[in-house]
Amino acid sequence: GENVEQHPSTLSVQEGDSAVIKCTYSDSASNYFPWYKQELGKGPQLIIDIRSNVGEKKDQRIAVTLNKTAKHFSLHITETQPEDSAVYFCAADYGQNFVFGPGTRLSVLP
Amino acid sequence: DGGITQSPKYLFRKEGQNVTLSCEQNLNHDAMYWYRQDPGQGLRLIYYSQIVNDFQKGDIAEGYSVSREKKESFPLTVTSAQKNPTAFYLCASRVNTGELCFGEGSRLTVL
Repeated sequence: GENVEQHPSTLSVQEGDSAVIKCTYSDSASNYFPWYKQELGKGPQLIIDIRSNVGEKKDQRIAVTLNKTAKHFSLHITETQPEDSAVYFCAADYGQNFVFGPGTRLSVLP
Repeated sequence: DGGITQSPKYLFRKEGQNVTLSCEQNLNHDAMYWYRQDPGQGLRLIYYSQIVNDFQKGDIAEGYSVSREKKESFPLTVTSAQKNPTAFYLCASRVNTGELCFGEGSRLTVL
């Protein structure tokens, strides 16, 4: 069945360092992979996404890479800031619905 | 501004009571979704609807019911049959193969 794994579950980095979160998916039918940021008590917000026809996408300090052969994709945050602290979710789109990873709690230490 | 509005933000329920969570969107999106989020966990799909007057069960539909009488509205009823309803509930919508847009959530607590 459809499944998305996400690692690590928690991640602490020093301010200014980079953070990397990795996801793998089980069903190769998916062609769209979004990343969401969720702050405490709020709904998830889309921060970046990638479709299967590209291997990398970048938006300022955030980038996503996709390896369709290996069925994994990663979120890269450079020059981390305290406001990057949140829970991050990856997801895979299977047409009618999304399957989400379990989330990564990122803490950026000042 | 266009968006998704969930209400109430906080809700308390006594055991045995049904409660209904509201979700309204003015984005003109066809598809709408309800997810449940437990502390420290990911999002699990309860129900989704691709068009008006049609909806499908997700992974954890037992104890929940929905309706889709209007494109803008997708209310979720948490029935007394849901044995562990305390959770954070998120409504979302999307158009075709576009991004999934979330509301701010409703936190339900059973007393």
